[in-house]
Amino acid sequence: GIQVEQSPPDLILQEGANSTLRCNFSDSVNNLQWFHQNPWGQLINLFYIPSGTKQNGRLSATTVATERYSLLYISSSQTTDSGVYFCAVESYNTDKLIFGTGTRLQVFP
Amino acid sequence: EAGVVQSPRYKIIEKKQPVAFWCNPISGHNTLYWYLQNLGQGPELLIRYENEEAVDDSQLPKDRFSAERLKGVDSTLKIQPAELGDSAVYLCASSLDRGEAGVGLYNEQFFGPGTRLTVL
Repeated sequence: GIQVEQSPPDLILQEGANSTLRCNFSDSVNNLQWFHQNPWGQLINLFYIPSGTKQNGRLSATTVATERYSLLYISSSQTTDSGVYFCAVESYNTDKLIFGTGTRLQVFP
Repeated sequence: EAGVVQSPRYKIIEKKQPVAFWCNPISGHNTLYWYLQNLGQGPELLIRYENEEAVDDSQLPKDRFSAERLKGVDSTLKIQPAELGDSAVYLCASSLDRGEAGVGLYNEQFFGPGTRLTVL
């Protein structure tokens, strides 16, 4: 099945810093989503981005489908950005969303 | 627009007891998913429904787990009997409509808050 790798596994930032999270996947995809799982466990949709670039406030994402990777950019990080960021993909050969292992982000004031 | 609703949020039971989780998807979403999330890991699919039909239950441990979506709207996931290893978060998600090809915006999934199960 499709493999999804995220890096880095852990990230510690001071408030105001910028960061880039990466997601590599091993097959062509028809769905790629970025989620933020907050400390209370809620999975929050950040982007639906099987290809292209999107921006939403301080967050932006780019997926280069031909090279099988996606990047999530967080600018001017805030303490409320803390949590785990998951990349999840669905390939043309499967009908299920496969999650990466996540990047745990901690933002300190 | 209301999101995916799940109840209960937390459940503590003793092993060998039964337990049930309920999910109400976003209005108009035909596809419903149940996921299992173990501590420190990403969610894993247990079962997917297209309307009332379970179209992918390959990861559901059928000896003790069962699910139903009788009217194509809300769904119940049951464990009977529960084991210590079932302690996890059970997440429900929904998407608009996978369509025949399952592509496009229709397969964006939205998750509920989950039910955290502790089996003692």
